[in-house]
Amino acid sequence: GAVVSQHPSRVICKSGTSVKIECRSLDFQATTMFWYRQFPKQSLMLMATSNEGSKATYEQGVEKDKFLINHASLTLSTLTVTSAHPEDSSFYICSASLRGTGSSGNTIYFGEGSWLTVV
Amino acid sequence: DAKTTQPPSMDCAEGRAANLPCNHSTISGNEYVYWYRQIHSQGPQYIIHGLKNNETNEMASLIITEDRKSSTLILPHATLRDTAVYYCIVRNAGNMLTFGGGTRLMVKP
Repeated sequence: GAVVSQHPSRVICKSGTSVKIECRSLDFQATTMFWYRQFPKQSLMLMATSNEGSKATYEQGVEKDKFLINHASLTLSTLTVTSAHPEDSSFYICSASLRGTGSSGNTIYFGEGSWLTVV
Repeated sequence: DAKTTQPPSMDCAEGRAANLPCNHSTISGNEYVYWYRQIHSQGPQYIIHGLKNNETNEMASLIITEDRKSSTLILPHATLRDTAVYYCIVRNAGNMLTFGGGTRLMVKP
């Protein structure tokens, strides 16, 4: 099946620094990728929808200047957490859907997730 | 988006069938029902999806009621490795998936 890969799987950064998380679709082209955040013992919360070649669409309450999303190609989207603070520590997960699929009957695949710890 | 309701937790004996229910009474005609599961500290894993017919694959079966207001995911022979949080999601035309609380399935020896 289709594979979505995230890197790094775990990262620790100092408060005030920025960290970049990559999301790649390995064997398919993804015009749309989604970024989620998950706090311990909670469900996944959608942060933003990333469209190739255009600006990302952010969910209400998600600061676009803090969580920079770039979807420069059909196989790569990046999430940069800028000026990270301890409260940004979380599990960040991306997902991708196959290119050219407009119906809701086509599968969305998830990456393995990236654990961010801000100290 | 159509919302889903799932029991927060369920237990199942190893080797037995696990039947996980989901209510989605406000589902619209062109919305699919998707099931994913999440094992601790991993990204969600796709299991199965369907529109109105029952579906089966190597992982599970999906039974959707005729009125499409509810569905059941069936793991025919649960193993300890099936312990996970199972999410039932109704997918909108915008392609995104909105996660609810899911069902925490505990498979016990």
